[in-house]
Amino acid sequence: GAGVSQSPSNKVTEKGKDVELRCDPISGHTALYWYRQSLGQGLEFLIYFQGNSAPDKSGLPSDRFSAERTGGSVSTLTIQRTQQEDSAVYLCASSLSASGRGEQFFGPGTRLTVL
Amino acid sequence: GDSVTQMEGPVTLSEEACLTINCTYTATGYPSLFWYVQYPGEGLQLLLKATKADDKGSNKGFEATYRKETTSFHLEKGSVQVSDSAVYFCALFRGGATNKLIFGTGTLLAVQP
Repeated sequence: GAGVSQSPSNKVTEKGKDVELRCDPISGHTALYWYRQSLGQGLEFLIYFQGNSAPDKSGLPSDRFSAERTGGSVSTLTIQRTQQEDSAVYLCASSLSASGRGEQFFGPGTRLTVL
Repeated sequence: GDSVTQMEGPVTLSEEACLTINCTYTATGYPSLFWYVQYPGEGLQLLLKATKADDKGSNKGFEATYRKETTSFHLEKGSVQVSDSAVYFCALFRGGATNKLIFGTGTLLAVQP
């Protein structure tokens, strides 16, 4: 079966522009997570979805970041008015359920570069 | 709050050498512990896990034991191969309201032939 897919794989944008990053989780996985991997900060949790709702948005770094999930499947992470410090690899992961006890399956990531 | 500390890299070893990558954690309660691995050009993938004290996780010749008394989960392998070259991340999982993995900073392992 297909794994977690993310698009685009690479995104270069200019400071101040908005970007949308997409994640397709493994079919049937009800829990979906977004993380950010950057040189200075390591791997940081951003947001967690159970179904279409987000019980934990505590990792979103500012109100420029938002995410939604529709149909219990695809999720979109949106960054408005991008800044250079947003440059990072954005990783999406899914698990069979929220009680998957941490066994999360990761996508290949989207490398975002803000010029 | 919860945190994971792992040894700084890079770790450079010759093929067939022994490997230990140290990992310690700070957490209340009894989190599950994980090692994830990121091979060059690939996504992050689960290597092994342990869900309670004294559990030993193992996979691909790697082992790690959940030590509650020392709050540690060190990764070990008796004989590394060039193909083990990757970045290794120690992580803990907190269930309940947060349901997130908390990662260490990662350790780059380079194995030379």
